[in-house]
Amino acid sequence: DAGVTQSPTHLIKTRGQQVTLRCSPKSGHDTVSWYQQALGQGPQFIFQYYEEEERQRGNFPDRFSGHQFPNYSSELNVNALLLGDSALYLCASSFMTGHEKLFFGSGTQLSVL
Amino acid sequence: AQRVTQPEKLLSVFKGAPVELKCNYSYSGSPELFWYVQYSRQRLQLLLRHISRESIKGFTADLNKGETSFHLKKPFAQEEDSAMYYCALSPIKAAGNKLTFGGGTRVLVKP
Repeated sequence: DAGVTQSPTHLIKTRGQQVTLRCSPKSGHDTVSWYQQALGQGPQFIFQYYEEEERQRGNFPDRFSGHQFPNYSSELNVNALLLGDSALYLCASSFMTGHEKLFFGSGTQLSVL
Repeated sequence: AQRVTQPEKLLSVFKGAPVELKCNYSYSGSPELFWYVQYSRQRLQLLLRHISRESIKGFTADLNKGETSFHLKKPFAQEEDSAMYYCALSPIKAAGNKLTFGGGTRVLVKP
């Protein structure tokens, strides 16, 4: 089991562009959460997907959207990129029931120029 | 709203010395508290959770609801404990895992 995999590992975009990040959860997990980690800060919750629906959302604008596919993989989309969107984006998978621990991916480093 | 504060950005100790990482939280309901760790060039991973009341790699953490704290302790630090540590909170009634993280504490264990 490769665990949680994210692609790409690094990405460079310019302001105003759109970006899509991808995540495959750990085998057997049905829930995917996305976090943004700015330099020198802790991860910040963006949203969570379960059964192909957004179940919980953090304090992020509508420019941030996502999708979950029937195979539980997920995408994070960010439109109209701002310089402040530069960060490490982490995907984490788990089971929805209870408070099972999160398994994190290695992240996608997004740089907005 | 919930908030997690880790007041120390960097903690430097000598091998064999005790180490304590502070974590304070604010949340009006019943929280579940976690410590996550990230070793160099590795992924963020769960170290321990208060509900399990277990000791992992010699680390323990006690939830003090009166002081709203969840400090992480180890009596004798080892060089392999050098890492980034994050305290995190999840509302206990919420299904799934929506975690609020603190800003993190970097621990450096010197030989």
